[in-house]
Amino acid sequence: DSGVTQTPKHLITATGQRVTLRCSPRSGDLSVYWYQQSLDQGLQFLIHYYNGEERAKGNILERFSAQQFPDLHSELNLSSLELGDSALYFCASSPRRESTEAFFGQGTRLTVV
Amino acid sequence: GQQLNQSPQSMFIQEGEDVSMNCTSSSIFNTWLWYKQDPGEGPVLLIALYKAGELTSNGRLTAQFGITRKDSFLNISASIPSDVGIYFCAGQGGLMDSNYQLIWGAGTKLIIKP
Repeated sequence: DSGVTQTPKHLITATGQRVTLRCSPRSGDLSVYWYQQSLDQGLQFLIHYYNGEERAKGNILERFSAQQFPDLHSELNLSSLELGDSALYFCASSPRRESTEAFFGQGTRLTVV
Repeated sequence: GQQLNQSPQSMFIQEGEDVSMNCTSSSIFNTWLWYKQDPGEGPVLLIALYKAGELTSNGRLTAQFGITRKDSFLNISASIPSDVGIYFCAGQGGLMDSNYQLIWGAGTKLIIKP
């Protein structure tokens, strides 16, 4: 158990809908990272938050947004969903701004039908 | 931008065999990390390397930070069924805002032949 909690574990939704994925980092970790992993693909970095502030953006679509709350949990919002958005979405946390030795949650498997 | 080439893409091996995989970069990294991902799970950190030439072991796993700082290797000795999974390398260029994000390899899928 990495200490990073993601909910829900599975999500099935229709095209055009909006969903929210939630991540609770390890106790004391200030950094939260979101990644997307499509079937049999590597990890695509989406966005990084540190202590409530956005620090870096990767290949994140405009239909996607995220935020980190004062209690350090984070939410990834995906809207106007398309079939191609079906993927595993991982959250990772680390104690520092840098992403070295980030700890990953178990992921949310999103299926868009 | 920075890219990582990880090879091989997949490996079919017999139980008990040794395994080698590597990652090469187009630019210099200051940190190399190796992760393993089991099916349906998030990646788990196996080994972290912070210095060129560094050789670090974790049980049957050994990883090395290449002298040129552009490559890293992971070896698994005497493979067992629970070694099955996808192994990812990741590199970090430094601590400046422009290059501290991890760059990820595409993964090496390890399959053990029955």
